[in-house]
Amino acid sequence: DTAVSQTPKYLVTQMGNDKSIKCEQNLGHDTMYWYKQDSKKFLKIMFSYNNKELIINETVPNRFSPKSPDKAHLNLHINSLELGDSAVYFCASSQRTGSPYEQYFGPGTRLTVT
Amino acid sequence: GNSVTQMEGPVTLSEEAFLTINCTYTATGYPSLFWYVQYPGEGLQLLLKATKADDKGSNKGFEATYRKETTSFHLEKGSVQVSDSAVYFCALTLMNYGGSQGNLIFGKGTKLSVKP
Repeated sequence: DTAVSQTPKYLVTQMGNDKSIKCEQNLGHDTMYWYKQDSKKFLKIMFSYNNKELIINETVPNRFSPKSPDKAHLNLHINSLELGDSAVYFCASSQRTGSPYEQYFGPGTRLTVT
Repeated sequence: GNSVTQMEGPVTLSEEAFLTINCTYTATGYPSLFWYVQYPGEGLQLLLKATKADDKGSNKGFEATYRKETTSFHLEKGSVQVSDSAVYFCALTLMNYGGSQGNLIFGKGTKLSVKP
């Protein structure tokens, strides 16, 4: 009965590879997010998405692309991985019509690029 | 622009000490304010929230009051426990402004260590 789940929990890969991180929420929320947490614990929004609109943080390289097969899933695909992509990636979800956009976070995926 | 500034850590306290973590914000509009907590190796959990001026959020002995006049949302706890050791994030969200879908803007986090 996990609310927001992510797979894998750890991902180690080499520069230049393409990888995906999966996120699923069973809360019935209509909006999902991806955040990046760097080595200093700083959290920054990457994408927000609901069934009508994708909003991309302008600082996110276009090597990163969110893919949503349905309302409960928002996967993150990364092309041509770079060393600087190493971070913890968190998925979150919320209900836009809810109070007041409380977000529920997944456990995170620690990506290490070597 | 919209931003959150919180005191830098780490903060080290003895058990039963009083805790204050300062948080101030800059926002174009009327934000909702949050404190999230991240325990070691885990994701973020919502600790408390406040949606309008003078609201007080509280949970697990933690409190924070939304002060519009000082643009602040300081986190306090009267008596900390070892189990409170974690990283605490102050955050705001603005809906329907500048295309936002309610995404959170976080402070840089404050690491709290509580010693027995």
